[in-house]
Amino acid sequence: DGGITQSPKYLFRKEGQNVTLSCEQNLNHDAMYWYRQDPGQGLRLIYYSQIVNDFQKGDIAEGYSVSREKKESFPLTVTSAQKNPTAFYLCASSMSGTATGELFFGEGSRLTVL
Amino acid sequence: RKEVEQDPGPFNVPEGATVAFNCTYSNSASQSFFWYRQDCRKEPKLLMSVYSSGNEDGRFTAQLNRASQYISLLIRDSKLSDSATYLCVVKTRTGNQFYFGTGTSLTVIP
Repeated sequence: DGGITQSPKYLFRKEGQNVTLSCEQNLNHDAMYWYRQDPGQGLRLIYYSQIVNDFQKGDIAEGYSVSREKKESFPLTVTSAQKNPTAFYLCASSMSGTATGELFFGEGSRLTVL
Repeated sequence: RKEVEQDPGPFNVPEGATVAFNCTYSNSASQSFFWYRQDCRKEPKLLMSVYSSGNEDGRFTAQLNRASQYISLLIRDSKLSDSATYLCVVKTRTGNQFYFGTGTSLTVIP
């Protein structure tokens, strides 16, 4: 079955540590996205990538980094520079170049900083 | 001004009731419109796309008013299982960008 796989589902981190969240899709989508959701809040865009080897900052990119070396993969690194990293992280993908292509989401990664 | 605005609710309605959610968007060049459903501590899932002529899927009806830049979702005969947060999502014409409302919380009460 096609879909988006995020790992790990739950992650605990000590302050000052970098962590990398994995996102893999087998939908053959060009565009991939990382969102952050805080309790009771909407989704905020961290980074997005429209094509391999290219990515753009979203609204809250500070303290995060990404890479897009393969079409299927878009890992997100939460660095120690991110002041308040505890949140629910959602990876998504969509088909580029279509008028109505919707977003497909992974199941999310819940990061807690201790 | 936010790209997409929704009334956060909460909406608490009895089973069988009809409930309507509205959403407004600021970019008149927006191209595609969606309603997503998000259950507690889960990822959002597509409920339905919204077409210019309006569309219906069972108990759910979506409407788009481009002139007034708003989107609506009507749920008829509410079920307990409809309890969730409903997200309004707008896709731009260029740049393949999606903008989310903060979501409207619905609780259907027995």
